[in-house]
Amino acid sequence: GQNIDQPTEMTATEGAIVQINCTYQTSGFNGLFWYQQHAGEAPTFLSYNVLDGLEEKGRFSSFLSRSKGYSYLLLKELQMKDSASYLCAVRGSDSSYKLIFGSGTRLLVRP
Amino acid sequence: DAMVIQNPRYQVTQFGKPVTLSCSQTLNHNVMYWYQQKSSQAPKLLFHYYDKDFNNEADTPDNFQSRRPNTSFCFLDIRSPGLGDAAMYLCATSTGLGEKLFFGSGTQLSVL
Repeated sequence: GQNIDQPTEMTATEGAIVQINCTYQTSGFNGLFWYQQHAGEAPTFLSYNVLDGLEEKGRFSSFLSRSKGYSYLLLKELQMKDSASYLCAVRGSDSSYKLIFGSGTRLLVRP
Repeated sequence: DAMVIQNPRYQVTQFGKPVTLSCSQTLNHNVMYWYQQKSSQAPKLLFHYYDKDFNNEADTPDNFQSRRPNTSFCFLDIRSPGLGDAAMYLCATSTGLGEKLFFGSGTQLSVL
């Protein structure tokens, strides 16, 4: 079966750091994506991990542990505009390489 | 700018009345996808085209059909919309299967 788990909601303060976790159990694994989605808008790409470790891109970093089926997205120096949903998506290893999305974590940044 | 464009942004239809959603891309990507996303849920893949090869997800209802007349355009046809089909419909493209997705702005469909 395919299962991706993320917390439903998180709240953090402007200027702080927040970590959004994602655990997955999939029949195959060939990479993990993080997308940001503002309310009523389309998802936009944030990061991609296929090997274990941390990928840093400005204020956002993403970590992957394949052996644990675990990833997190780290957001630093939070800004109000970071209030959005964050979707974790796993790419399978079958011939379709289909992305399986989690339900997303809704992050609210407060002043 | 190269992009994925969906029209219209909001679509209202009546129960049972066929509706077509449109997607175009200037990225020249091989793969085009249609996702359905209901409020606070994960995007659900309906089908995708790799060039002209159509791939339907096993659990996509027969009520949903798609056409890709050329590389740039892809359409989602809902033959007899039900109340449960009200959702955001997202078109996405990628250079290859499983590659980074580029999404359009989505069409929010309401069924009255």
